[in-house]
Parts: sequence; structure tokens; C-alpha cells
Amino acid sequence: DAKTTQPNSMESNEEEPVHLPCNHSTISGTDYIHWYRQLPSQGPEYVIHGLTSNVNNRMASLAIAEDRKSSTLILHRATLRDAAVYYCILRRLSYGKLTFGQGTILTVHP
Amino acid sequence: EADIYQTPRYLVIGTGKKITLECSQTMGHDKMYWYQQDPGMELHLIHYSYGVNSTEKGDLSSESTVSRIRTEHFPLTLESARPSHTSQYLCASSGTVDTQYFGPGTRLTVL
Repeated sequence: DAKTTQPNSMESNEEEPVHLPCNHSTISGTDYIHWYRQLPSQGPEYVIHGLTSNVNNRMASLAIAEDRKSSTLILHRATLRDAAVYYCILRRLSYGKLTFGQGTILTVHP
Repeated sequence: EADIYQTPRYLVIGTGKKITLECSQTMGHDKMYWYQQDPGMELHLIHYSYGVNSTEKGDLSSESTVSRIRTEHFPLTLESARPSHTSQYLCASSGTVDTQYFGPGTRLTVL
């Protein structure tokens, strides 16, 4: 899998938007961009994924750069429950395996 | 909501004991995975299966073994536990949509 680069940590205030960046300059045309998050003492959970176009779901939005070399996960209004480690992962469709990196530790302040 | 279960949630055991960590899913997923995660560290894939009677080793070498006799069940076994096996073990599954669903994990401590 191609490599991704994320900041080690970010901080936000409650009810403010959060933009979590991810760089993936070696992405190939068949790589999907997946985001998972891991809350404290829990297993990871799926957040969102996309290929080329921006994507929205009930949890977040995913903005993908035109050249696909970077993407941003957007939490529109952070809550304390959004404090977690966020992982940006590249993966070919149906490849199966996930390769986790260090992720970004998001801290949300009340 | 995903239905994937792991037991036990916590296990403290002495060196040399044989242990089996259970993982079951009720979603009919063909693909199942085991990841290992030390506190504050990355998850590493140690085993995966793409269906019944199919098992493969993952990216991180592990002394554990797995079996897949039934679609819904993917147990992990350590024949002789050692303190170096102390870690969190996370099971996951995925179907045709390819989203992985994770269980709550088993925290293993080997004394």
C-alpha cells in the first residue's frame, strides 16, 4: 500500500469544525482513501472513504485534492466524543488488508 | 451496527499456558482479520482469512495461529503464552462493501 503522512496530533474546541489533513503523494489511480478512527479503549471504526470526488456521510466529509495527493477529513462540529486517533489509509478496492500508520491524535477541549 | 464479538475482553494468564482468543461475527462476512496493538502504538495485521479453510499470515510475524472452520468464527491460539505476547488483540471482518468492522478487542497480559 502507498504511504500516508498525517500530523501526530491536533487540538480543537468543542462545536468548532476540525480539518484533519493527510498527504499521500504516491497514491495510485486505483487507491481508495479510507479514514478510520479509534476511540480510547475501543477497536477502530470506519469513518468514510472516497476515490476522486468529495464525499459526505453522517459522521464526516472527505475533501480530496484534484491531484489526489492529499485529502482532508472534516468534522463539521467537534464533540468531546470525537476525541480519538484518526487514521488515513490508502487501499485498492477489495484488497482487504488495512495498513495502519501512526494516525493523528485529536484532542477536543470543552 | 456491526455485530462482531470478542471474548474474553480481558485475560491475565501465566507463562506457558495455552490460550484461545475467540472472535465471532454474525454478518456473514467472508473476510476476517486479527490485528495486534501495543498501548499507544500502531495496529499491525497478524493474520487474515478470505473464507472458510483460508488463512494467511499478516504483515507482522506472530507466534499465534488461527483457524477458519466456519464463516462466522475466527479463533486465535497461542500454544505457550509468554510475557512478550502481552498486547491488545483486535478482530475485524469485512464483506463485499469492504468496510472493516472491528470487535472491542481482548487485552492479554502474560505474567
